[in-house]
Amino acid sequence: AQSVTQPDIHITVSEGASLELRCNYSYGATPYLFWYVQSPGQGLQLLLKYFSGDTLVQGIKGFEAEFKRSQSSFNLRKPSVHWSDAAEYFCAVGVKTGKLIFGQGTTLQVKP
Amino acid sequence: DGGITQSPKYLFRKEGQNVTLSCEQNLNHDAMYWYRQDPGQGLRLIYYSQIVNDFQKGDIAEGYSVSREKKESFPLTVTSAQKNPTAFYLCASSITSNQPQHFGDGTRLSIL
Repeated sequence: AQSVTQPDIHITVSEGASLELRCNYSYGATPYLFWYVQSPGQGLQLLLKYFSGDTLVQGIKGFEAEFKRSQSSFNLRKPSVHWSDAAEYFCAVGVKTGKLIFGQGTTLQVKP
Repeated sequence: DGGITQSPKYLFRKEGQNVTLSCEQNLNHDAMYWYRQDPGQGLRLIYYSQIVNDFQKGDIAEGYSVSREKKESFPLTVTSAQKNPTAFYLCASSITSNQPQHFGDGTRLSIL
């Protein structure tokens, strides 16, 4: 069955520090992969997507993610975190039927 | 500005009552989706529609109904058969299936 796992429910980093949010997926075919961000009480905003090609994907707000097929991972990174990055982050995999399967989310807290 | 509009932002339901959540998009997208979000559970798909006059059940369709009579509109009815309707409901749309989904700002439903 298709699934997405975000192992870290909650992460705290200091402002200016680097960030890596983990995402592992289970899907038999070549996946479409997405990272979304959600501020409290708001909808989700697309950060970046991977469909094919270059496995290092650049997104908005200085985020990037790397697709590693051998590890079934699509980790999100940012070299220097800003206080405004505090939010909940969701990884998702697009399956053949057109549906998205979401992970449970990682809440990012940024310390001043 | 193109986007997805969900209304109302907050909704209260009495026991035994049906309520309808509105979702309208002016992005000319073919596909539309309804998700339910509960704390710590990520997003779960309720219903989706890939084209006008057609829709499919998602993972948690019981107690919900939808219609797709117009391309821009995809209302969700929470029926009295849904025993635990308190949640944050998100509507999304995409150009076609397997493309990035764009989200509305959500409707928070509570039971009186």
